[in-house]
Amino acid sequence: AQTVTQSQPEMSVQEAETVTLSCTYDTSESNYYLFWYKQPPSRQMILVIRQEAYKQQNATENRFSVNFQKAAKSFSLKISDSQLGDTAMYFCAFMKGRYGGSQGNLIFGKGTKLSVKP
Amino acid sequence: NAGVTQTPKFQVLKTGQSMTLQCAQDMNHEYMSWYRQDPGMGLRLIHYSVGAGITDQGEVPNGYNVSRSTTEDFPLRLLSAAPSQTSVYFCASSLSAGGETQYFGPGTRLLVL
Repeated sequence: AQTVTQSQPEMSVQEAETVTLSCTYDTSESNYYLFWYKQPPSRQMILVIRQEAYKQQNATENRFSVNFQKAAKSFSLKISDSQLGDTAMYFCAFMKGRYGGSQGNLIFGKGTKLSVKP
Repeated sequence: NAGVTQTPKFQVLKTGQSMTLQCAQDMNHEYMSWYRQDPGMGLRLIHYSVGAGITDQGEVPNGYNVSRSTTEDFPLRLLSAAPSQTSVYFCASSLSAGGETQYFGPGTRLLVL
């Protein structure tokens, strides 16, 4: 069974600085996808970034980028130029590939609570 | 597009009562799912559907029923509510299963007394 581990329950960062959130996962699958979701106090789940495991290039989305290390099964999220609006819970999630069975199902880590301080 | 909608936003139930949480999407997505979120636990999959007429169990299905008669709707039924079902429930949908980004509804907060 797949598992996702976020080892940092809480983190804080000063506005305009850079912060990195850690995520490791365990799987025997070769084809899969990884996601970071943000959950602000409004509780809405918002996609931050998506990574396809077969792509070696790290995904980026504006100030958000990932460091995907497939051999180490590591998928960290880097937030540059942190803003007050980045304050939220951040969840790392794993999904099997198209032919992996239980396809489409997300397996979530327990989350990291990020506070951006002025 | 309204995206994924959920009703109600908040509900209080007494132990033993039944209710249905509604979920609808207007994006013609084939895949829909229900998750529950508990403090310190992340989100856990309850049930999912890969298309109209097809449903299957997730990680924590006990005490819940689903059906999918149309592409748009995927209701979640609590048969006999228990305090352990106090949680925040999220519905999500994606174009298809297997790698597609899932879009989440705003959530339903359920309190069972």
